[in-house]
Amino acid sequence: AQKITQTQPGMFVQEKEAVTLDCTYDTSDPSYGLFWYKQPSSGEMIFLIYQGSYDQQNATEGRYSLNFQKARKSANLVISASQLGDSAMYFCAMREGGDNDMRFGAGTRLTVKP
Amino acid sequence: KAGVTQTPRYLIKTRGQQVTLSCSPISGHRSVSWYQQTPGQGLQFLFEYFSETQRNKGNFPGRFSGRQFSNSRSEMNVSTLELGDSALYLCASSTRLAGVTDTQYFGPGTRLTVL
Repeated sequence: AQKITQTQPGMFVQEKEAVTLDCTYDTSDPSYGLFWYKQPSSGEMIFLIYQGSYDQQNATEGRYSLNFQKARKSANLVISASQLGDSAMYFCAMREGGDNDMRFGAGTRLTVKP
Repeated sequence: KAGVTQTPRYLIKTRGQQVTLSCSPISGHRSVSWYQQTPGQGLQFLFEYFSETQRNKGNFPGRFSGRQFSNSRSEMNVSTLELGDSALYLCASSTRLAGVTDTQYFGPGTRLTVL
C-alpha cells in the first residue's frame, strides 16, 4: 500500500505568491517523522524541513512551513513568497519508528512563473 | 562540513556489464542509504549500510549489492546490467542516532545509462 501520497503531479505559481504542496501519509506507528525535499533539475535532493509526529507546533524554516494535521494524516508544505529558483520537484517522505527506511511520495513538479 | 559526494557523476555502460558506484558520506555520518530513481518507479530504496553492516534492504534483485568500509564510504555494485537499470542512483548519509528525526542528506547522484 502506498504510504505517502502526493496528489499534485504539477503545480504552477506566480512569483512572490504562496503555494501549498499536498502530502498525505498512512501509518499506524505513533512515532514517525515527515520530511520534505527539493530536487532541482541537477538531481540532488535538498532537505527542506522536518516534522515529528509528537511535535506540538508546525515546523517552519525560512520561507518553508509545514501544515501538519495529524488527525487527517496530512503534512502539506507551504512555500511563501515564491521565487524563480523554487522551480523544482518536491518530495514528501516519511520514516516510521525503528525503521531507517525512508518512503517517498511520487513528487510534485512546481513551476514558478515570472 | 563537506556534503555527500558521489562518483562518478555520469556513466554509460552496455547490457551485461557490471558497474560500481561510490559514495562518501558527510564526516561523522555512519549510515549510508542508496536509492534508485526512475521516471516510471520514482524513488525506490535499495539498501542501507551502518557500521559496515547492511541494515535494511529494498525489493531489488541480487544483482544489486553494496558494501561499506570502515571509514563509512560505501560502494554499490550492479552486475549483469539491464536496460531497465538506467536511472539516477542517489546515496544519502545520516547519523542514524536520532530515530525518526534522523535526517538523510543526499549526494548529487550518479546518472547511469545502459545501452
